[in-house]
Amino acid sequence: DAGVTQSPTHLIKTRGQQVTLRCSPKSGHDTVSWYQQALGQGPQFIFQYYEEEERQRGNFPDRFSGHQFPNYSSELNVNALLLGDSALYLCASSSGGTTVNYGYTFGSGTRLTVV
Amino acid sequence: DQQVKQNSPSLSVQEGRISILNCDYTNSMFDYFLWYKKYPAEGPTFLISISSIKDKNEDGRFTVFLNKSAKHLSLHIVPSQPGDSAVYFCAAKGTWHDMRFGAGTRLTVKP
Repeated sequence: DAGVTQSPTHLIKTRGQQVTLRCSPKSGHDTVSWYQQALGQGPQFIFQYYEEEERQRGNFPDRFSGHQFPNYSSELNVNALLLGDSALYLCASSSGGTTVNYGYTFGSGTRLTVV
Repeated sequence: DQQVKQNSPSLSVQEGRISILNCDYTNSMFDYFLWYKKYPAEGPTFLISISSIKDKNEDGRFTVFLNKSAKHLSLHIVPSQPGDSAVYFCAAKGTWHDMRFGAGTRLTVKP
């Protein structure tokens, strides 16, 4: 049973460019959350998608946008990249209709470096 | 606004001894707390959780204690094993949808 799959694993972009990160949730999960983990910090919530809608958003600028597809997979888009966007981007999946008893299932992340 | 704090960036213990990882929180609306473990080049994996209506939850070698009045929780690992060496994140959740994470504690278990 595949867990959460993220692609690509590593990415190098130039400041000002745009990037798209992808996530396939664990089988049976319908909710996808995106987190940004900067070096030496804990994951910071970007947003969560459920039923193809953004259900909640963290304290991130509009340069960060997302999408969820009918098969529950999701994309994270970041426009006008800044050096400070360099981080590990984690995707986590869960079931939207259940309480959080066992936490999210995380992918291995995409390491984004902005130069 | 750091609502979940792990004040010890690192902890080193001897194999077979107890590891105690601590976490403090400030938001009284949190009603569920979780611990995640993260190895290098992998995503965090769920370890153990506790509801705010309990003060202790045990799963094998892992026990989480919650002190609501002090807004403090701790993770005990007994006995510690070298394979437990990883970064441990404390996380908390309220009625909203996201989880709030601490900065993590790097545990090193020496053989």
